[in-house]
Amino acid sequence: DIQMTQSPSSLSASVGDRVTITCRAGQAIDTYLNWYQQKPGEAPNLLIYAASSLQSEVPSRFSGSGSGTDFTLTITSLQPEDFATYYCQQTYTTPRTFGQGTRVEIK
Amino acid sequence: QVQLQESGPGLVKPSQTLSLTCTVSGDSIISFFYSWNWLRQPAGKGLEWIGRVYSSGSTNYNPSLKSRLTMSVDTSKNQFSLRLSSVTAADTAVYYCARDSERVARAMDVWGQGTTVTVSS
Repeated sequence: DIQMTQSPSSLSASVGDRVTITCRAGQAIDTYLNWYQQKPGEAPNLLIYAASSLQSEVPSRFSGSGSGTDFTLTITSLQPEDFATYYCQQTYTTPRTFGQGTRVEIK
Repeated sequence: QVQLQESGPGLVKPSQTLSLTCTVSGDSIISFFYSWNWLRQPAGKGLEWIGRVYSSGSTNYNPSLKSRLTMSVDTSKNQFSLRLSSVTAADTAVYYCARDSERVARAMDVWGQGTTVTVSS
């Protein structure tokens, strides 16, 4: 299995802040890396696919970058509705695997 | 707009078989572009991919669960299903069905709302 490691596990930030979350794959996965947002009691929601492509209807303050083993999710100007848990996922091979999640909390 | 809805018992006894169905509405389950996935999430923990089934009936399973898993598809009902045998308390989780799509590099772009399954006597 490909291990996915996110950092940090949690962070505190204020509305308007720029937030960066990183994800490292245990082996090279090209750009087969996706980012999801999950709010309490809800299913995950796809934000970014193929490392840097913005899913339809997702605000442009979300962006992704990276290839190979190192990836980044950036949220410019954090909004109140962005406080949630974020997961990276590889779709390079099966079994699909996820990072452990990064919880973004209000400072 | 395509929607997914999980259904099945919320309580399963240890050693028995967990059975869930996901009903797809708003689009046909038959497509070369999609596969149909099951995932789960124990309370307060992360996401685990269980496996996927194509409309052809072909499957891929997580090796950690493969010996207990069966997934199937019923194209006449636009549904796909999960059976997990010999369950224990460790199988207690929210179970999600989700579609992955070639159009978004096999990311999971549509999810069901999730259904809570508790394994307890």
